[in-house]
Amino acid sequence: DTEVTQTPKHLVMGMTNKKSLKCEQHMGHRAMYWYKQKAKKPPELMFVYSYEKLSINESVPSRFSPECPNSSLLNLHLHALQPEDSALYLCASSRTGGTNTGELFFGEGSRLTVL
Amino acid sequence: GENVEQHPSTLSVQEGDSAVIKCTYSDSASNYFPWYKQELGKGPQLIIDIRSNVGEKKDQRIAVTLNKTAKHFSLHITETQPEDSAVYFCAATSSGSARQLTFGSGTQLTVLP
Repeated sequence: DTEVTQTPKHLVMGMTNKKSLKCEQHMGHRAMYWYKQKAKKPPELMFVYSYEKLSINESVPSRFSPECPNSSLLNLHLHALQPEDSALYLCASSRTGGTNTGELFFGEGSRLTVL
Repeated sequence: GENVEQHPSTLSVQEGDSAVIKCTYSDSASNYFPWYKQELGKGPQLIIDIRSNVGEKKDQRIAVTLNKTAKHFSLHITETQPEDSAVYFCAATSSGSARQLTFGSGTQLTVLP
């Protein structure tokens, strides 16, 4: 199983809503990532979890709150988002934790629209 | 930090022709250079990678070359097929303890039948 599974695939939310994006991998990877991707742009790193601990937060606004309940699951809690937060949110995992010198496995993403 | 520049931003080739995408990086400490392919509506997928101790790597129709002195690396796709049409991103490791990937800006490759 070499898949990273993300749910939901599409999400529409208002600026006052609270929602969550979910990510799951069963490859035994010890690092998991959240990326944000705008149209026609490369992925931008948001958060990195290494061995279930938050190791990198790329100065992401607090309206995005990551959570790693266990080594297979990664959540991104969303609250009071702005229309400019509309984007494709990609989850990824890699075998090694901390140093990223190995393959990143990406999910297909959750497309978020904030009204 | 690392800066990765990628050219061209768009590339159209006839089916069967070759395609070349070029990237330059700024951090001489970078040592890992992957290439990702992103099809419409999907997440990026690794297609080939190269480490700094190797000058060239080939996998069937895809090859990557690395020039550490000039700090540039290139993706070569031969005998292109319509299913090669996608956005391609190069990337390089950044320096520092995190050593996270820095992506290039992407190349939209279109293979015309």
